[in-house]
Amino acid sequence: RKEVEQDPGPFNVPEGATVAFNCTYSNSASQSFFWYRQDCRKEPKLLMSVYSSGNEDGRFTAQLNRASQYISLLIRDSKLSDSATYLCVVNKGRWHSSASKIIFGSGTRLSIRP
Amino acid sequence: NAGVTQTPKFQVLKTGQSMTLQCAQDMNHEYMSWYRQDPGMGLRLIHYSVGAGITDQGEVPNGYNVSRSTTEDFPLRLLSAAPSQTSVYFCASSPAGPNGLFNQPQHFGDGTRLSIL
Repeated sequence: RKEVEQDPGPFNVPEGATVAFNCTYSNSASQSFFWYRQDCRKEPKLLMSVYSSGNEDGRFTAQLNRASQYISLLIRDSKLSDSATYLCVVNKGRWHSSASKIIFGSGTRLSIRP
Repeated sequence: NAGVTQTPKFQVLKTGQSMTLQCAQDMNHEYMSWYRQDPGMGLRLIHYSVGAGITDQGEVPNGYNVSRSTTEDFPLRLLSAAPSQTSVYFCASSPAGPNGLFNQPQHFGDGTRLSIL
């Protein structure tokens, strides 16, 4: 089983729709969580960090559920420009620890249609 | 702000050639890493470093060497290029977190697109 798992999609939704992605992680020592966005043939870019209390940035809301070991990303009022691959990222371990690691999910493809 | 700078952006090699992909960051980040991404696939970690003089292997280290003589630079060397190493290579860096936590997001370079013929 992969340490970080995402539904690869593609999710194909109409403009203006609300779409949600989940990401599950297997290691309870995981301590930090992020969502990145990657456009075709470009570098991943940080979309938002994910905090235990949940956090919102405009149309984007991220949630963390430590008990069930998953994080989620909700996009409201989706725009054509939201079409991209969304990567779930988990940091685990402490600094300089042999167990410290940054783990990327394989990504979920989102396509917004007019 | 330059951030993470990768050179070259594109490169074509013949099988058996060696070359070095350069990565430099100007943010004084301790953690640096190299990933490869094949078409339609996710990122795979090649090597990483938690500070100058310290490097370690990732998921797919075979065929690659790294060194970290300074905080700023983390070059990736292909020893003898093979067609299977055709990919897009990303370098990334992040700072250490407060109180020994490993909780900071990574910053990525633009990538190097490498083709091996």
